[in-house]
Amino acid sequence: GAGVSQSPSNKVTEKGKDVELRCDPISGHTALYWYRQSLGQGLEFLIYFQGNSAPDKSGLPSDRFSAERTGGSVSTLTIQRTQQEDSAVYLCASSLVRELFFGEGSRLTVL
Amino acid sequence: KQEVTQIPAALSVPEGENLVLNCSFTDSAIYNLQWFRQDPGKGLTSLLLIQSSQREQTSGRLNASLDKSSGRSTLYIAASQPGDSATYLCAAVDDKIIFGKGTRLHILP
Repeated sequence: GAGVSQSPSNKVTEKGKDVELRCDPISGHTALYWYRQSLGQGLEFLIYFQGNSAPDKSGLPSDRFSAERTGGSVSTLTIQRTQQEDSAVYLCASSLVRELFFGEGSRLTVL
Repeated sequence: KQEVTQIPAALSVPEGENLVLNCSFTDSAIYNLQWFRQDPGKGLTSLLLIQSSQREQTSGRLNASLDKSSGRSTLYIAASQPGDSATYLCAAVDDKIIFGKGTRLHILP
């Protein structure tokens, strides 16, 4: 596609359930980022993938959060045993030469 | 550790006015400075990218400047319109990408 695609756009889940959020970056972009934006807050860095290098996981808030990127393209962010404080919009961005392009985000609500 | 600050946090101006949004960063060793707008419930839309070797970039009614030595960037919006109402974010781009908290802009019709 022409832009960064994220799915689902909205996800409502019960506390304790696992969720997976998907990001399909712009074709050819080697870098992929995940950010979290809580209501009324700024963007919180989660994880960064660059090519075949080991990902920078320094922003993941707990070991319940993990992400993978298959074949240097699609990425999945997994949140295990969701908590209410995980409710936020999860934004994915891709870039080729450090210019970021964002998807529309996945809004996660944990009841 | 890079810190990015945007002032003001919120701004309301009458339609037609020119305005300036400010972004400051603590570490001048950046690769790029990128400005975005975010509409409610939406993702971020890239507005302008200024590379570290550049001083400014222009797109339509928008002009962004970069002064690395003082750690500042400004986004100038000319002849503001109600459709410009959004949150504007800047990001300092290096090995990591650090965002400011944004300026919520409201253009009064």
